[in-house]
Amino acid sequence: DIQMTQSPASLSASLGETVTIECLASEDIYSNLAWYQQKPGKSPQLLIYYANSLNDGVPSRFSGSGSGTQYSLKINSLQSEDVSIYFCQQNYDSPRTFGGGTKLELK
Amino acid sequence: QVKLLQSGAALVKPGASVKMSCKASGYTFTDYWVSWVKQSHGKSLEWIGEIYPNSGATNFNEKFKGKATLTVDKSTSTAYMELSRLTSEDSAIYYCTPSHWFAYWGQGTLVTVSS
Repeated sequence: DIQMTQSPASLSASLGETVTIECLASEDIYSNLAWYQQKPGKSPQLLIYYANSLNDGVPSRFSGSGSGTQYSLKINSLQSEDVSIYFCQQNYDSPRTFGGGTKLELK
Repeated sequence: QVKLLQSGAALVKPGASVKMSCKASGYTFTDYWVSWVKQSHGKSLEWIGEIYPNSGATNFNEKFKGKATLTVDKSTSTAYMELSRLTSEDSAIYYCTPSHWFAYWGQGTLVTVSS
């Protein structure tokens, strides 16, 4: 199975700050990577697919980048509603696997 | 719009089985694979497997083979997952989500395994 290692596990940032979350795959996943946001008590929501494609309705302050085994999610100008847990997921090989999650809190 | 309505929470005894449902609307049910995802204790997510409603073909995470059974009812656009021989490790929220990129999710079904 492809292992997805996310970092950091938790992150504290101030409003308006830019934050970056990293995801490292155990092998090349050829940009078959998605990012999800999950708020407490809610289902995950797709933010980014194919590493850098913004899902419909997702604010443009979210962006994804990366290739090969290394990927990142960047949130510009952090807003209070961005407090969530973020997960990466590879869609390249079965079984599809997720990162362990990054809990983003406000400082 | 796409909606996925999952069945309600279940409290089941160890060793028993549970069957949950996922009723889809707002898209052509038979055109997209439906995946099931497990989330334990608010932690990370595990892909259980997927079913193609048009043919009933399935793919599973090896970890869940023998644990999960996936079926569909095309007439009602409903996907089902049955979990067998339940233990405390199966206590979790289970989500259904169609398509290759999980752009839509059900609200989740909470399964609690307890005597």
